[in-house]
Amino acid sequence: DAGITQSPRHKVTETGTPVTLRCHQTENHRYMYWYRQDPGHGLRLIHYSYGVKDTDKGEVSDGYSVSRSKTEDFLLTLESATSSQTSVYFCAISESLSTIYFGEGSWLTVV
Amino acid sequence: QQQVKQSPQSLIVQKGGIPIINCAYENTAFDYFPWYQQFPGKGPALLIAIRPDVSEKKEGRFTISFNKSAKQFSLHIMDSQPGDSATYFCAPLAGNMLTFGGGTRLMVKP
Repeated sequence: DAGITQSPRHKVTETGTPVTLRCHQTENHRYMYWYRQDPGHGLRLIHYSYGVKDTDKGEVSDGYSVSRSKTEDFLLTLESATSSQTSVYFCAISESLSTIYFGEGSWLTVV
Repeated sequence: QQQVKQSPQSLIVQKGGIPIINCAYENTAFDYFPWYQQFPGKGPALLIAIRPDVSEKKEGRFTISFNKSAKQFSLHIMDSQPGDSATYFCAPLAGNMLTFGGGTRLMVKP
């Protein structure tokens, strides 16, 4: 398994509270991604990073922000969680773009 | 606009059968065509991929067929096994981003 650790793995939070999900890699890969997975939608890209402090928006970035201050860490923040952000969040890493490795997911429930 | 359409949404086959999953795309900028396999509670994992300069690629029991003119590619699983029961995603790549299809839930009955 690629060295990707997501935390927390499960979280229940209340509407309006801030939430931060962490992705930590031990592979020194350049690219890091945050996806969300919802039934019928496959995985949709939220934000990605192509280097330290270099990030860009994906398909569904509204309501999310990211930061990458170190190669190994990529943080996803929900500034004010809403019920529509209840989802499974996957971090992914890549060096060659032709092979992307996914973490095991973080289950987030917003009540 | 849905760039990647995957079908069927679900599929049930008997052990030994040959399930076929299809993916149609619109974006001509896609230049790499992978399939990912996902087991419950796990993240997706790359299964097999093809580049647009070939029409078919085989890896073990898994085959990708690619039709550039029709903008379609498909996954065939030969001699399917119960352990192949999973959700499969096509996820063509353009630039540095994958675009996922909606997924196909495959069940292989013993």
